[in-house]
Amino acid sequence: GAVVSQHPSRVICKSGTSVKIECRSLDFQATTMFWYRQFPKQSLMLMATSNEGSKATYEQGVEKDKFLINHASLTLSTLTVTSAHPEDSSFYICSARSGQGRNQPQHFGDGTRLSIL
Amino acid sequence: AQSVTQPDIHITVSEGASLELRCNYSYGATPYLFWYVQSPGQGLQLLLKYFSGDTLVQGIKGFEAEFKRSQSSFNLRKPSVHWSDAAEYFCAVLESGGSNYKLTFGKGTLLTVNP
Repeated sequence: GAVVSQHPSRVICKSGTSVKIECRSLDFQATTMFWYRQFPKQSLMLMATSNEGSKATYEQGVEKDKFLINHASLTLSTLTVTSAHPEDSSFYICSARSGQGRNQPQHFGDGTRLSIL
Repeated sequence: AQSVTQPDIHITVSEGASLELRCNYSYGATPYLFWYVQSPGQGLQLLLKYFSGDTLVQGIKGFEAEFKRSQSSFNLRKPSVHWSDAAEYFCAVLESGGSNYKLTFGKGTLLTVNP
């Protein structure tokens, strides 16, 4: 089946640094990728949607300058948390879909646990 | 905006007992509905989905769900729970968001299985 690989699975860094998370579709072309944030014991909140070669569309309340999303190829999207602070600590999950039709399945990565000290 | 409600935050069942996890949705048109399972520290795995047709859908790991339009529900069931089923379960509806379709998730139900 379709596989989405997310890297790293866990990262710990100091406050003020920037952190990049990669999301790769291994065996299909991901025309659309999604980035979610999940707080402990809560649901997934969609942060942004990106189509390959286009600027990402951010959900209301998500700072686009803080969470930089790049979707430069059909197999790779990156999320960069800039100048990270402890409140950015969370579980980030990417998801990818091939095509934009309603019937297209959405495949999820295993997530990245980000901890900012 | 569409919404998904999972009324039960936490459910505990004994191994071998039957299970039903509730999900209600709010959507104007015919909904595309999903159930996902998440183990601790992991991403989401699709259990089953409903697009159209037969309202009783079968999924992986012995799960099934029934779409009831009159009740705006899509409850997940399993006749006999295994200890490995302990996880977080999310119901989701697919909605149109501009040029993309995107998933809206419920808050999840944590399932604990007692031996």
